[in-house]
Parts: sequence; C-alpha cells; structure tokens
Amino acid sequence: GEDVEQSLFLSVREGDSSVINCTYTDSSSTYLYWYKQEPGAGLQLLTYIFSNMDMKQDQRLTVLLNKKDKHLSLRIADTQTGDSAIYFCAGRKTSYDKVIFGPGTSLSVIP
Amino acid sequence: KAGVTQTPRYLIKTRGQQVTLSCSPISGHRSVSWYQQTPGQGLQFLFEYFSETQRNKGNFPGRFSGRQFSNSRSEMNVSTLELGDSALYLCASSLDRGRGDTEAFFGQGTRLTVV
Repeated sequence: GEDVEQSLFLSVREGDSSVINCTYTDSSSTYLYWYKQEPGAGLQLLTYIFSNMDMKQDQRLTVLLNKKDKHLSLRIADTQTGDSAIYFCAGRKTSYDKVIFGPGTSLSVIP
Repeated sequence: KAGVTQTPRYLIKTRGQQVTLSCSPISGHRSVSWYQQTPGQGLQFLFEYFSETQRNKGNFPGRFSGRQFSNSRSEMNVSTLELGDSALYLCASSLDRGRGDTEAFFGQGTRLTVV
C-alpha cells in the first residue's frame, strides 16, 4: 500500500525560504496534497498537484513533483512566523481512494 | 458558511468503556472521513462515508465503527476502550465531485483521553 515519508523537523529564519520534502512509495498516486496544521486546529489544505504536473505555484508556495524519484517538495518563500506549523504531505490514487498522510514536518520559524 | 463541527471537543473515558464521537459536515458535503492522530503514528485513516455507505476503510480493529445519517452527519464509535485509543480524532468533509482536487475540510477534532 501507499506509504508517505517526511523529515520530522525543519527550522528556518524569518524571511528565508523553507523547503519541506516528501517521498511516497506508490507511483500510481494521482493526487498529491500539502496540508498545514496549526496548534489546536484541524488540517487546512494548502495546495495540491496532479501527477501529470511537474510544478505548481501559488503565491508564496511552490510545489515540485519528481515522479521518477517519487519526490514531492513544498517551498515557502519569505517564511513568516505565522508559517510555523506542522505540514503534511498526502496522496491518493483516485478521487475515490482514501488519502494517505505522511507523518508531518514541524516547521519552526525563528524571528 | 459554517465549517465542520466535531463534538465533543474533549473527552475523558475509562478503559473498557465505549465512546461516540459526532461530526457535522459542511452543508451540502456528502463525504465524511475520519482520522486518528497520535504523536507516534501520525494521521491514520479510519473510514470514509459517502451517502450513508462506508466507501473506504482503514486498518483498525472492529472496535472502531461508524455510520452516516441521511443528513450527512456522521458518528464514530469505539467500544471497549484501550489506553492506546487516546488520540485526536479528526473528521473531514468534502463535496466529492469525483475529482481529486476536491478539498477536504477538517474539523478541529475531538481529543479523547482514555485513563
């Protein structure tokens, strides 16, 4: 079955770029997502990418997909203290399959 | 428009008891999924309901069950509680238009503590 892996912690300085990495095992994953979870809150969808795309940009967020290596990354430009949260990578095979989440990367932004 | 509402927010139960958690999806959303979040295991998929039918199921024992009502509200039940069931239980609802870009909206979760 699908397995999604992420590094658990990342620390960056305010104003720098953050890059959060994710690898997934199932090459048939068609939909890949990035979610953000702030303390005491549920998950919020940040962005998604289809497997037939290499890159997607949305304001400060850039998602890169390397299908060959099954590697997904989320780049946050000009990281702010409000970006401190846990970021989850997730994937699903079809729109009717369950979404499988990675363990989450805890991003700490140092002022 | 109102978001996903989970009740109760916090719950303390004793081992061996049973518990029912409730999730009210966003109006018009027919798909409801449940997840268990723990520090050690991360987010684990429990089950998904669509139009009152269980569409997907995770790898949890039969003590974990759920249902969905005609108004799309969903409940999950855990019987014979164990200490390891202590977790944040998250519910997510979506429109489910049959497309993978359908956003899932999460509730704030129910924090269950088993003592």
